[in-house]
Amino acid sequence: DAEITQSPRHKITETGRQVTLACHQTWNHNNMFWYRQDLGHGLRLIHYSYGVQDTNKGEVSDGYSVSRSNTEDLPLTLESAASSQTSVYFCASSEFWKGEQYFGPGTRLTVT
Amino acid sequence: DQQVKQNSPSLSVQEGRISILNCDYTNSMFDYFLWYKKYPAEGPTFLISISSIKDKNEDGRFTVFLNKSAKHLSLHIVPSQPGDSAVYFCAASQLWTNAGKSTFGDGTTLTVKP
Repeated sequence: DAEITQSPRHKITETGRQVTLACHQTWNHNNMFWYRQDLGHGLRLIHYSYGVQDTNKGEVSDGYSVSRSNTEDLPLTLESAASSQTSVYFCASSEFWKGEQYFGPGTRLTVT
Repeated sequence: DQQVKQNSPSLSVQEGRISILNCDYTNSMFDYFLWYKKYPAEGPTFLISISSIKDKNEDGRFTVFLNKSAKHLSLHIVPSQPGDSAVYFCAASQLWTNAGKSTFGDGTTLTVKP
């Protein structure tokens, strides 16, 4: 069965360190998205991609970067982790021109 | 400027009764609306959607209503079951210009009491 996976599921890191969160989908979807979810907030879009070599900034992109070298993967990098980036991160994918997104299980990141 | 708003952070209903979750939006360019359901420690899952050319869409116990003039949509769950207890997110997109990118509300936590 097709799926979308995220790793690690939990991560604790120190302020200033570089962190990369992995997202891998086997749906063969063109679109991939990264969101963060904080208490009292919905899903806020960090970065998104409509295909290989395409990346775009979302509403809360400062301090984050992504790259898309193949269809299946969209890793999210925190260049220099800050305590404000403690959050739960969700990756999602969808077909082009389709609204329904398929979400991964999430990564809980704690920056100490 | 929050373009998609779910003004009720929580809702509690009795098993067997109707649950009504509401969502308002401000961007008149949105043309596709979705509801997602999220259990603790899991990712959201797609529940039901509606295009702006329709005013109602049903799928089993779930019905979404869209009032474009009021920029309002609602999700009705009838009858409500304890397993429906979850966080529900409303989302909106400009499907034909943004190819699937969505804006999400903050969510409503539904509790269905046995």
